[in-house]
Parts: sequence; C-alpha cells; structure tokens
Amino acid sequence: GEDVEQSLFLSVREGDSSVINCTYTDSSSTYLYWYKQEPGAGLQLLTYIFSNMDMKQDQRLTVLLNKKDKHLSLRIADTQTGDSAIYFCAESITGGGNKLTFGTGTQLKVEL
Amino acid sequence: GAVVSQHPSWVICKSGTSVKIECRSLDFQATTMFWYRQFPKQSLMLMATSNEGSKATYEQGVEKDKFLINHASLTLSTLTVTSAHPEDSSFYICSARDYQETQYFGPGTRLLVL
Repeated sequence: GEDVEQSLFLSVREGDSSVINCTYTDSSSTYLYWYKQEPGAGLQLLTYIFSNMDMKQDQRLTVLLNKKDKHLSLRIADTQTGDSAIYFCAESITGGGNKLTFGTGTQLKVEL
Repeated sequence: GAVVSQHPSWVICKSGTSVKIECRSLDFQATTMFWYRQFPKQSLMLMATSNEGSKATYEQGVEKDKFLINHASLTLSTLTVTSAHPEDSSFYICSARDYQETQYFGPGTRLLVL
C-alpha cells in the first residue's frame, strides 16, 4: 500500500540548514518529489529525484534518497524567512497512472 | 517554467447551488490533469484524474455525479461541484501533467458554501 509519512513541524534559525524527512512504503516508486506550499496558495514544485538516483543538488536544495530504507530527505542550506512554508514529499508509482501520493506535510518555521 | 492557473481563486455560494472551477495550463499542453481537495492543515487528497477527450477517473469514495469533470481541451479542465453543501467547503487544487510527466499545480480555489 501507499503510505507517506513526514514529521509535522520543524523550526530552524535563519542561516542554518533545514532537513525535512520523508518515509514511504511503496518500493515501486519511480519519481519522488518535493513541493512547497505557502499559506493559501497552491503547490510549487521544488525538485524531484528519479528512484535510481541517490542524490540531487539544485542550488540551496539537496535531495537524498535511501531506497533501501525508503527514506527521502530535503536539505535547505542557508534557510531564509521566505522558506517558511509547508513542504510535501510525494511519490509516483510505476503503473499507477502517474498519480501522486502525498506525504502529510512538514511545516517549516524559520526564526530570526 | 510551466504555469497552471485556476479560476476563480475563491468563491462563496449558497447551499444548493453549483460552482464551476476552471484549471488551465498556460504555456503547455496537458493531456492529463488532476483534481485534489485539501482540508485545513492536511495533505492533498486526489479526487479524480481528468483525461482530455475521455471520461474522468474518480478515486474511491468520490461521487462522480457530485463532482463533474470535463476536460474540454489540452489546456482546460473544469470541476463543477453540483448542489453544493457546507461540507463541500474546501480548498480545491488542480494540477496539469506535462510531456515529461511532471505535475504542475494551480494556485487553488477556496470554496465556502453557506
């Protein structure tokens, strides 16, 4: 079955790194995504990783994938107040019609 | 980057009326669009998959006669909430899938049924 879990809340100081974690249960994931949602807005695609990759870096964002443990993480370097939002991981499944299964979401709060 | 718009951004209506929400892919064609519902402080729940030129595929528990979906063209899908009731109040988000199978999301429509 599909079940994607995230911790609910993370608080960091401005300038520090943030690490948001995600665990999933379906081993037939093809792509794993990270989306950002600001209050009252839709979802913004931040980055994604193909399931045969271990790491992907895109400017301040680093995605790590441990397929054996079914663990995905998003590291935001030099976190800024504008990074405060809810972050969702999502997986698409082989043969699943490219439907996305979303995690529960992690609220990131960046403090001065 | 790929842009998806939704209209209206918010709507307030009386119980029993029908509300139509539009989802448009502005700079790419999307044979498949998705409709989600999000309750406060919760994740997105997939309601249905909208395919251009064919009937939508609804997720289990979603009433197809209640939530009518029409994918009229490669850039437009509409969701009509028929005979809306207060429990239909929610944040409705669409997404459009590009040729690389990446989903881009609209800004959402907040529906309040009185």
